[in-house]
Amino acid sequence: KQEVTQIPAALSVPEGENLVLNCSFTDSAIYNLQWFRQDPGKGLTSLLLIQSSQREQTSGRLNASLDKSSGRSTLYIAASQPGDSATYLCAVDTGRRALTFGSGTRLQVQP
Amino acid sequence: DAGITQSPRHKVTETGTPVTLRCHQTENHRYMYWYRQDPGHGLRLIHYSYGVKDTDKGEVSDGYSVSRSKTEDFLLTLESATSSQTSVYFCAISEGQRGPRETQYFGPGTRLLVL
Repeated sequence: KQEVTQIPAALSVPEGENLVLNCSFTDSAIYNLQWFRQDPGKGLTSLLLIQSSQREQTSGRLNASLDKSSGRSTLYIAASQPGDSATYLCAVDTGRRALTFGSGTRLQVQP
Repeated sequence: DAGITQSPRHKVTETGTPVTLRCHQTENHRYMYWYRQDPGHGLRLIHYSYGVKDTDKGEVSDGYSVSRSKTEDFLLTLESATSSQTSVYFCAISEGQRGPRETQYFGPGTRLLVL
């Protein structure tokens, strides 16, 4: 059974810092890995999707990497801003198109 | 934003009563999903659909049933609600084509409280 772990569970940083969120998964047989953002009381917003054949994806200040063989992904946020405060979730698709999620990292960016 | 609505957005019900949650999409996407989100468990898949009348079970399907009679609507029914089904329920959709556009889009969620 696929298990997804995210470390740390919570993170507080001052504005402007670069930061890294970590995601690990137990079964390397994945089709893709996705990063989402969730604001309190809201649904999930897709940030980045990395296909299994890719090593990384970039969108603005966000960069996600994937090392499938070691079962790891990182989400790099450059020059963090208070508006980045949210919970970040990673999820893997192991072939059924339904996703297995981690529990998330709750990020607080202090002004 | 993807055109996904969920109704109701909030519901309080009593143990033993049936409850139906509705997900409606305007994107004509093939795949639709129901997840529940609970503290300490993250999001877990309940059921999903890969076409009209085509559904399959997820990780936590016991006590739930689904129906999809039209592309745009996916219903989740709690046949006899229990307190353990108190949760936030999210609907999601995806095109179903493998590749860079395979991302899932989520609805705003339904908060269900079973007393």
